[in-house]
Amino acid sequence: GQNIDQPTEMTATEGAIVQINCTYQTSGFNGLFWYQQHAGEAPTFLSYNVLDGLEEKGRFSSFLSRSKGYSYLLLKELQMKDSASYLCAVRRDGSYIPTFGRGTSLIVHP
Amino acid sequence: DAGVIQSPRHEVTEMGQEVTLRCKPISGHDYLFWYRQTMMRGLELLIYFNNNVPIDDSGMPEDRFSAKMPNASFSTLKIQPSEPRDSAVYFCASSQQGISKNIQYFGAGTRLSVL
Repeated sequence: GQNIDQPTEMTATEGAIVQINCTYQTSGFNGLFWYQQHAGEAPTFLSYNVLDGLEEKGRFSSFLSRSKGYSYLLLKELQMKDSASYLCAVRRDGSYIPTFGRGTSLIVHP
Repeated sequence: DAGVIQSPRHEVTEMGQEVTLRCKPISGHDYLFWYRQTMMRGLELLIYFNNNVPIDDSGMPEDRFSAKMPNASFSTLKIQPSEPRDSAVYFCASSQQGISKNIQYFGAGTRLSVL
């Protein structure tokens, strides 16, 4: 099976940097996704990591360490619109389907 | 493309009634997923289809839930009879194998309230 852990809630200040961590335990590994979900809306894709290292995409970056079962999503220059839930999802080896974590609710305040 | 389209957006019904949720996937996508999201349990996979064939329905809570995909552009999730504990947001998602990391694209969801 799979076990995915994320903090339940985080708060940060507009303009700051925040790091959202995700740890996982899985039998085999075949990719990790980050999704963003605003309140009352659908999850939308942010990033995908399958190899170790940092993937940068504008203000958002995602890091993966397969040996440690660890990923983080880094959000820079925070904006109020970044207030949302961030879902970590892990796909195990041999499976096409990711399992989602419970999500981290990020609150950005002025 | 219009994206994944779900209907209705909101459904309020009474316990014991039949509920049918509908989904139109993105054209050309060969995988379709039904998820349920609650505060307590997060986002749970109920069932998924590949080329209109159900592959894994182990997430379906019980026999009251059923899903069909009669063709590549339409799927339904039915709850009969509905119970208050079924109240949740139900998402449909689709993806295309081998393309763009198999990213799942979600519909806007159906918010179901069973009274």
